[in-house]
Amino acid sequence: DQQVKQNSPSLSVQEGRISILNCDYTNSMFDYFLWYKKYPAEGPTFLISISSIKDKNEDGRFTVFLNKSAKHLSLHIVPSQPGDSAVYFCAASAGRRGGATNKLIFGTGTLLAVQP
Amino acid sequence: NAGVTQTPKFRVLKTGQSMTLLCAQDMNHEYMYWYRQDPGMGLRLIHYSVGEGTTAKGEVPDGYNVSRLKKQNFLLGLESAAPSQTSVYFCASRWLAGEYNEQFFGPGTRLTVL
Repeated sequence: DQQVKQNSPSLSVQEGRISILNCDYTNSMFDYFLWYKKYPAEGPTFLISISSIKDKNEDGRFTVFLNKSAKHLSLHIVPSQPGDSAVYFCAASAGRRGGATNKLIFGTGTLLAVQP
Repeated sequence: NAGVTQTPKFRVLKTGQSMTLLCAQDMNHEYMYWYRQDPGMGLRLIHYSVGEGTTAKGEVPDGYNVSRLKKQNFLLGLESAAPSQTSVYFCASRWLAGEYNEQFFGPGTRLTVL
């Protein structure tokens, strides 16, 4: 039973356009959501996050939107750059902030390719 | 400040052999984790530790053991490797009061079991 789903294995966009990566979850107890970016042969790096008390969080070119009623979040990258080409993982956790037992549940990832 | 480091980067084992993967972090983080990444499966938690001397099972613990004798190190052991353990292994760590539970990852160890 996959609690965090990324239904698009890959996405290709043109440089300068918007990239939209989607993530769905099933566990209503999740209250923190994170996006990680992963280049080949490297570990994932934290990109941006959002708490369930918010519906939007923005950091430069990256914006994450959360729709709790639909159990859906999305990552928008505007404008997309070739250096953004990577695998993007969505992750979720439940419970009190700071607890190690608030394990991260990861989606399967979406490979983004930004074409010059 | 090296962050999270993993040793070795690559390893090839024969079925039945044993090995230990080492994870080290210099950020004084309390929590440490071991994940495996397989195609189409995302990252799955194997074991984790909430502090020196403690360990706990994650989502896929079978076939693995861990130890956290020092706060900065988290070891993952395979006692009798199986081809199903061919994977990329990532270690991660997190501060006790980390915002949004963000974890910091090492570069990974690619393990092949023949």
